[in-house]
Amino acid sequence: DVKVTQSSRYLVKRTGEKVFLECVQDMDHENMFWYRQDPGLGLRLIYFSYDVKMKEKGDIPEGYSVSREKKERFSLILESASTNQTSMYLCASSSERPSTDTQYFGPGTRLTVL
Amino acid sequence: SQKIEQNSEALNIQEGKTATLTCNYTNYSPAYLQWYRQDPGRGPVFLLLIRENEKEKRKERLKVTFDTTLKQSLFHITASQPADSATYLCALDPGTDKLIFGTGTRLQVFP
Repeated sequence: DVKVTQSSRYLVKRTGEKVFLECVQDMDHENMFWYRQDPGLGLRLIYFSYDVKMKEKGDIPEGYSVSREKKERFSLILESASTNQTSMYLCASSSERPSTDTQYFGPGTRLTVL
Repeated sequence: SQKIEQNSEALNIQEGKTATLTCNYTNYSPAYLQWYRQDPGRGPVFLLLIRENEKEKRKERLKVTFDTTLKQSLFHITASQPADSATYLCALDPGTDKLIFGTGTRLQVFP
């Protein structure tokens, strides 16, 4: 069965902290994505990666960075967390380009920045 | 501006009835459109993908239509059940190789 896991379901951090969100997929997928989801705004793409060590900015990359050292793992980094980064963070993966393939999502990480 | 619109108001229907959810888009000509289900506190789960040359697609009690002239997709759940209660998202690729998601419509099926 397809599986995308995220390191934490809930996370509480303080303003200015460096935050790491980890995502692992076991499907040997080429493509991985990080979204954030906020009420009324829907899912917004932060960063994505189509290959190991490759990354592309999504629609809202400011304040975030990513790392993909291994095919199965895609990390989202908040260099200096701010309160406006309080959100639900969702990782996804797919084997083909997004328009032609299903995206498999992890369970999400609810991040609160105080 | 380019966007996807889904009815932000919740849809409440009685068990056994057909639920119909709408996804409208502007300024795109997508080759595909996808529908996902999302339960509270969970990640979205893929349901169906429909191509522009497919007018209709079915999967068990689910049916999706895709009208490229109206720029609209309809998502139907027949014989709805309380377990169908969730938020349903539509998503498309506007030609950038990235999915754009609608904000979703919450469906509530009551007994």
